[in-house]
Amino acid sequence: QVTLRESGPALVKPTQTLTLTCTFSGFSLSTTGMCVNWVRQPPGKAPEWLALIDWDDDKYYITSLKTRLHISKDSSKNQVVLTMTNMDPVDTATYYCARTTIVGATNYGMDVWGQGTTVTVSS
Amino acid sequence: DIQMTQSPSSLSASVGDRVTITCRPSQSISTYLNWYQQNPGKAPKLLIYAVSSLQSGVPSRFSGSGSVTDFTLTISSLQPEDFATYYCQQSYSTLYSFGQGTKLEIK
Repeated sequence: QVTLRESGPALVKPTQTLTLTCTFSGFSLSTTGMCVNWVRQPPGKAPEWLALIDWDDDKYYITSLKTRLHISKDSSKNQVVLTMTNMDPVDTATYYCARTTIVGATNYGMDVWGQGTTVTVSS
Repeated sequence: DIQMTQSPSSLSASVGDRVTITCRPSQSISTYLNWYQQNPGKAPKLLIYAVSSLQSGVPSRFSGSGSVTDFTLTISSLQPEDFATYYCQQSYSTLYSFGQGTKLEIK
């Protein structure tokens, strides 16, 4: 059974750096085709994809936030970490991690999601 | 980044109705289009990947079609549990992106 779980602070102050951890089980991020995404969703708005890291340690970031984001993995611990610098109240959202599997030319979508962690940015 | 535009943004329908939601990307995305359902307070749930492939466990009343820059999600006969918000998402570019959502409400 594949599961993912997000963890991190519920409250951060403006200008601080947010660090979120996605702990997963049921698959290995060392296996070809496996990827982990970070997605956030502000209250009442659509999900916004933030970043992806793949089995080969390739990293991709949403253009608008690229300078503030960093994604990394620790395959031995089955964890993916996302850091976001210079937090602002507009970054208040539920943050999710989700798995994507790619086999050949087929992208199987974000098939398993964590429950999400709510982050509020306020002084 | 590729922009995804969904229509309508909201839709009222009755149990048993057939409904269609449209998604149009700002550029060609071949067949790299996925659909999600989200209920309040829950994570999105994958319904369809690669335009028309049904995710395991998803009822067959859900179907997807389209290509290039015009895609649709169809629910053939609405059930009470289908009233939710639906999002399309492209995976053509590794800089993924979601549509703004379609909220399906009970008439």
